Amino acid sequence: LAKTTQPISMDSYEGQEVNITCSHNNIATNDYITWYQQFPSQGPRFIIQGYKTKVTNEVASLFIPADRKSSTLSLPRVSLSDTAVYYCLVGDMLANSGYALNFGKGTSLLVTP
Amino acid sequence: EPEVTQTPSHQVTQMGQEVILRCVPISNHLYFYWYRQILGQKVEFLVSFYNNEISEKSEIFDDQFSVERPDGSNFTLKIRSTKLEDSAMYFCASGEGLTIQYFGAGTRLSVL
Repeated sequence: LAKTTQPISMDSYEGQEVNITCSHNNIATNDYITWYQQFPSQGPRFIIQGYKTKVTNEVASLFIPADRKSSTLSLPRVSLSDTAVYYCLVGDMLANSGYALNFGKGTSLLVTP
Repeated sequence: EPEVTQTPSHQVTQMGQEVILRCVPISNHLYFYWYRQILGQKVEFLVSFYNNEISEKSEIFDDQFSVERPDGSNFTLKIRSTKLEDSAMYFCASGEGLTIQYFGAGTRLSVL
């Protein structure tokens, strides 16, 4: 599994755009980049997944440069309810058996008024 | 929206007792997982289950742990003789593919 590095914590005010960058220098050809969100006392929740360039859904955007050695999760206009831990994971989508997600410590985002 | 359901939400047990944590994965999913999270620590993988057998397990998943899919809908985690250090949130997850996994709300296990 490729090792990922992301900031331990970030702070933001409501209404701002938040960008969380994750480094994954050893990403392999078959690896996809996936982000999860976790609120206190809840299970992680899938946010977005991408392979290269840009992916956008109703929750977030994911920017992946051409070398794929990093990725940036962008949360537009955050609200207080976006306060959570955000995890960047990199893994092989083509493995043919169960897949252990390695969550790491994630980035703890605190949104304040 | 389909979701993974876990019961009970909180389980209190005495050290040395057996516990069974239950999960109902999303119905058309093929891959099933258990994770745990000790308070204040990261989410840790325990075991994955595919095609009616364990496909991968971590060092945490020792002989005290077992998993079963007793029927077409349930997926259980059994801890045979609980220890104090087994106290944690236990999350069940399921997925159609591999890296997108859908998690339940968890069972908080308290071992006294």
